[in-house]
Amino acid sequence: QVQLVESGGGVVQPGRSLRLSCAASGFTFNNYGMHWVRQAPGKGLEWVALIWYDGSIEYYADSVKGRFTISRDNSKNTLYLQMNTLRAEDTALYYCARGYLGVVGYTFDIWGQGTMVTVSS
Amino acid sequence: EVVMTQSPATLSVSSGERATLSCRASQSVSSNVAWYQQKPGQAPRLLIYGASTRATGVPARFSGSGSGTEFTLTISSLQSEDFAVYYCQQYDNWPPLTFGGGTKVEIK
Repeated sequence: QVQLVESGGGVVQPGRSLRLSCAASGFTFNNYGMHWVRQAPGKGLEWVALIWYDGSIEYYADSVKGRFTISRDNSKNTLYLQMNTLRAEDTALYYCARGYLGVVGYTFDIWGQGTMVTVSS
Repeated sequence: EVVMTQSPATLSVSSGERATLSCRASQSVSSNVAWYQQKPGQAPRLLIYGASTRATGVPARFSGSGSGTEFTLTISSLQSEDFAVYYCQQYDNWPPLTFGGGTKVEIK
């Protein structure tokens, strides 16, 4: 079945780095734009980043621009989020999501279960 | 950045009743709005896109309407499984893609 499985979350000190992964299965991964969306504890949804189906173009929320990098390996059906210089306000459940509609997929039709990132000293 | 504002924050409704959720955009987003449902401990689920098109498998009791800056999600007859938080999202003017703050539909 169509599935996204995130991994790589954990507890990290402010200023340190972490890399999240998202393994896709059940669909042709290299046909879809992919996103990261996060949700702070008890809060709403915040879009973080997106990457074109072929990895050629990336976009970021201002809150993470210059610190986070989205990438993908289509040969491994895997999406990544490299998070550097982490801050307390980056603490959240990070979801990967498949893009739906349009060239990049402007909405999100398939979601993983999320991986929790806690930034704390 | 387009700001999406949802109201009310919490809606108390009895099973079988109609629920009407609102979402307002800070500028026109045409019909480029999606709605999601999120139950506790679960990932969001796409319900509606294009302001009014139901996603695959979404029951007909869910309907969306609106264009420009005002949007509505209506649940015609609430079932027990519909009690959840609902988010709107715009994809007309991006980046960033932006969500509303959510409306929690709770049992009255």
